[in-house]
Amino acid sequence: AQSVTQPDIHITVSEGASLELRCNYSYGATPYLFWYVQSPGQGLQLLLKYFSGDTLVQGIKGFEAEFKRSQSSFNLRKPSVHWSDAAEYFCAVEEEYGNKLVFGAGTILRVKS
Amino acid sequence: NAGVTQTPKFRILKIGQSMTLQCTQDMNHNYMYWYRQDPGMGLKLIYYSVGAGITDKGEVPNGYNVSRSTTEDFPLRLELAAPSQTSVYFCASSSDPSGYEQYFGPGTRLTVT
Repeated sequence: AQSVTQPDIHITVSEGASLELRCNYSYGATPYLFWYVQSPGQGLQLLLKYFSGDTLVQGIKGFEAEFKRSQSSFNLRKPSVHWSDAAEYFCAVEEEYGNKLVFGAGTILRVKS
Repeated sequence: NAGVTQTPKFRILKIGQSMTLQCTQDMNHNYMYWYRQDPGMGLKLIYYSVGAGITDKGEVPNGYNVSRSTTEDFPLRLELAAPSQTSVYFCASSSDPSGYEQYFGPGTRLTVT
């Protein structure tokens, strides 16, 4: 069965600093990969997704992610973090036969001024 | 266009009580999902539906039931509530099962005491 690992439960960065959130997945074929963000008290919002093609994908709010098949990773990055980016971030992989997403446990991002 | 709406936002139940969490979407999506979110565990799929009249179990269906009589509505029923069902519940919908964004509601925070 597919699984997603987000090794970092909490990350704290200073405003203006760069950010990288790690995501590793287990999957036999080429996966569909997603990053979602959850602001406090809100539902999840899609940041970006990877299906195929260019391994560097751009998303909303200045985020990008890079798919690395050799490392089974799909890390999320942002060059300069804003205080409004403080939230919980979830990586997800689509199950092999569609229909369902498998989510990682999430990474809580704190931004210090 | 309200997207995915959920009611109630908060609820406290006593052990053994029953309740229905409501979910409605106005995007004419065929695919709908119920997740529960527990701290440090990410989102776990409870039930999903691929269209009116069709539902199937997800990863953690025990203690829950669903129905899908219309495209718009996907209520989640808790029978004989237990403390283990204390969680935040999210409903989501999607236009297509494979590789498309799931749109999430704002969530229902349920406490069983």
